[in-house]
Amino acid sequence: DGGITQSPKYLFRKEGQNVTLSCEQNLNHDAMYWYRQDPGQGLRLIYYSQIVNDFQKGDIAEGYSVSREKKESFPLTVTSAQKNPTAFYLCASSDSGRAGEQFFGPGTRLTVL
Amino acid sequence: GENVEQHPSTLSVQEGDSAVIKCTYSDSASNYFPWYKQELGKRPQLIIDIRSNVGEKKDQRIAVTLNKTAKHFSLHITETQPEDSAVYFCAAKFSGGYNKLIFGAGTRLAVHP
Repeated sequence: DGGITQSPKYLFRKEGQNVTLSCEQNLNHDAMYWYRQDPGQGLRLIYYSQIVNDFQKGDIAEGYSVSREKKESFPLTVTSAQKNPTAFYLCASSDSGRAGEQFFGPGTRLTVL
Repeated sequence: GENVEQHPSTLSVQEGDSAVIKCTYSDSASNYFPWYKQELGKRPQLIIDIRSNVGEKKDQRIAVTLNKTAKHFSLHITETQPEDSAVYFCAAKFSGGYNKLIFGAGTRLAVHP
């Protein structure tokens, strides 16, 4: 299961706090993605990045922010503006040479106290 | 708009039976269709995928079929085993965005011994 790592595995946040979720990959992939998964639901795209220093909003970007300063790293910040942040967050990456195939990290479960 | 519908949402079979999960997609230009398996609390794992230039692909007990005209694709699992129990997600690559996948809502498969 190597290649993409996420930390922490579990994260607890008080209301009004910003928290940052880490995602690192050593697969030399150009593209990286953040998804949110709620119980019994599919994966919804938050942000994606095709290349360093570039990223685009996905379907549910409100209340989230990202950066892509290094090819290997794509951290996600959940801000206090996200009203219902409790969810399972998954990071993924893909190789530009194999369009479509995405590999996922182990996920971070965020709970708001 | 971009949409992938997946049915059924839950599926219960006896060990040794076959299981079929069906998905339809809205973007007629989609050309890549992966299937992911997600065990409880784990990351989604790619189990099989198909590209639009073929109609069927097999890998041991699993197969995927694609009907581009009808815009639907299906996952077939034969000789099911208890370890096949998981949530399965279909996805379609959206033509308007680089490697952007649109996921179905998932099917919870339970294989009973």
